[in-house]
Amino acid sequence: AQSVTQLDSHVSVSEGTPVLLRCNYSSSYSPSLFWYVQHPNKGLQLLLKYTSAATLVKGINGFEAEFKKSETSFHLTKPSAHMSDAAEYFCVVSAGSGNTGKLIFGQGTTLQVKP
Amino acid sequence: EPEVTQTPSHQVTQMGQEVILRCVPISNHLYFYWYRQILGQKVEFLVSFYNNEISEKSEIFDDQFSVERPDGSNFTLKIRSTKLEDSAMYFCASTLTGGDYGYTFGSGTRLTVV
Repeated sequence: AQSVTQLDSHVSVSEGTPVLLRCNYSSSYSPSLFWYVQHPNKGLQLLLKYTSAATLVKGINGFEAEFKKSETSFHLTKPSAHMSDAAEYFCVVSAGSGNTGKLIFGQGTTLQVKP
Repeated sequence: EPEVTQTPSHQVTQMGQEVILRCVPISNHLYFYWYRQILGQKVEFLVSFYNNEISEKSEIFDDQFSVERPDGSNFTLKIRSTKLEDSAMYFCASTLTGGDYGYTFGSGTRLTVV
């Protein structure tokens, strides 16, 4: 069965410093992986997705993630944090169950950005 | 950009009451989903719906839950007799192809059962 583990429930950075949100996955086959962001009182917005093309995936708002099969990781990074990046971030894996498109979410990481 | 619209944004209901959460998916999408997020917990899959029938459901989606696409534009989640533990944020989503990308999520309905 597919699963994801987000290694940090809360990450705090200063504005202008790098962001690293860690995610490990478990999958019995080549997975599709995603990062979603949820700002307060907002819906879930797709940041980026990996679907077996390039291992370094670039997303919106300067975020990127690298798929490392040997480490079963899909960490999210950004070179320089902005105050507007403060939100909840979810690492997500496709359940791969036929064509239903079911997604499996990690526990989420709260990113705090300090001025 | 097309959006998935959910109404209401907040709903408070008494335990034992029936509640219907409404969603308007993107008009040309064919696959529809409900997820929920209990406060402080992860987002969980409830059900997927295609061609007017449930294609997959989780163990959470028991007999007190039902989904319907009554008129070709709305997609509803009904909870027949609400319990305190049904309090959560409920997200609707839709996709065109049913693949695991191309999801569009709504902003959610926060359901509070008192």
